[in-house]
Amino acid sequence: GAVVSQHPSWVICKSGTSVKIECRSLDFQATTMFWYRQFPKQSLMLMATSNEGSKATYEQGVEKDKFLINHASLTLSTLTVTSAHPEDSSFYICSARHPLTYEQYFGPGTRLTVT
Amino acid sequence: KNQVEQSPQSLIILEGKNCTLQCNYTVSPFSNLRWYKQDTGRGPVSLTIMTFSENTKSNGRYTATLDADTKQSSLHITASQLSDSASYICVVSGARGSTLGRLYFGRGTQLTVWP
Repeated sequence: GAVVSQHPSWVICKSGTSVKIECRSLDFQATTMFWYRQFPKQSLMLMATSNEGSKATYEQGVEKDKFLINHASLTLSTLTVTSAHPEDSSFYICSARHPLTYEQYFGPGTRLTVT
Repeated sequence: KNQVEQSPQSLIILEGKNCTLQCNYTVSPFSNLRWYKQDTGRGPVSLTIMTFSENTKSNGRYTATLDADTKQSSLHITASQLSDSASYICVVSGARGSTLGRLYFGRGTQLTVWP
């Protein structure tokens, strides 16, 4: 199956700092990628849809100035958590949509801990 | 409201036993229903995918069923193994209008297999 990678797999940062998470589709070009957040024992919650070459579409309640998304190429989308706070600690998962099948392939996730 | 409900929330079984997980959904119309396995601290991995016209789909020891009339799906795991311990997530994809391509996630069933 298609492979989507994320980097880093886990990160610890201090409150007030910014953290960048990368999502790469390794064997297909994805014009659309998605960013999800998952709290313990909860389902994945869509944060935003990342479109290559255009602005991301954010879900209601997600602050676009806090969660900056850049989809600069067909294989890379980045999520930057700016001025991170402890409540931003969560598991962030990206997915890439295959251009032919429309199937979403998920990355392995990034565990963010803000101290 | 488009929702996906799973039961039970958690389940403990002994190695070698079978189990069945349930998924009820209200997403309509839908294009397909997927079952994912999510290991702790990892991203979801697809097990099965069924369109509305399919009743059953197997993948090794995993067998998914779908009743589009009653909007119910089940995932049956046979001869469970310790490595089956994970969260199993039911995901329904919308088919039209504002729901087109959007994924609706259940909260998952946490399965624990004991030796």
